[in-house]
Amino acid sequence: QLQLQESGPGLVKPSETLSLTCNVSGDSISNGHYWGWIRQPPGKGLEWIASTAYSGSTYYNESLRSRATISVDTSKNQLSLKLTSVTASDTAVYFCARHMTSLYVAEYLQYWGQGTLVTVSS
Amino acid sequence: DIQMTQSPSTLSASVGDSVTITCRASQGISDWLAWYQQKPGKAPKLLIYRASILEGGVPSRFSGNESGTEFTLTINSLQPDDFATYYCQEYNHWTFGQGTKVEIK
Repeated sequence: QLQLQESGPGLVKPSETLSLTCNVSGDSISNGHYWGWIRQPPGKGLEWIASTAYSGSTYYNESLRSRATISVDTSKNQLSLKLTSVTASDTAVYFCARHMTSLYVAEYLQYWGQGTLVTVSS
Repeated sequence: DIQMTQSPSTLSASVGDSVTITCRASQGISDWLAWYQQKPGKAPKLLIYRASILEGGVPSRFSGNESGTEFTLTINSLQPDDFATYYCQEYNHWTFGQGTKVEIK
């Protein structure tokens, strides 16, 4: 059974880099599926951040492209996200998810982790 | 960029009611639309994909429809477990709608 578990620092200072990991169990992160990050500020809606696949393409939300880097670590079966130069507006619950992937195309988000809250504050 | 306009933002209803949530895409997205349900403190849960196909295990009282760039999620005979926030998402560029909170009247 696929399980996704996010982990992160909890608290990040403004202007620093936020680093998150998503531990994948029950599936191989290099099996051809796309994996993504989504965030949700407190009390607000969902925002897709980025998606990637091992040996596949990488896609970013244009509003975050200059600050976000998504990657996979096949040795650890993990998905990662780095977000640079954070501000208070980056405070959110960050979810990782696996896309339904057909013919190497990333479709909807079928499986989600439980999310991890990251607060940006000095 | 594709914009997804979801309405209403809040919907008050009673157990047993039927409710409909609408999502309009700013341009054609074919049927590449999904609906998710989210409860407080939980991750979103996939309900419907390809505009009208129910994910496995989702009750049949949920249904999705498509008419051009307008998509609807209907919940027939609302159950207590259905009070939650619902989001549409187009998956050409993975843009979400703003969400609709279905609350108890």
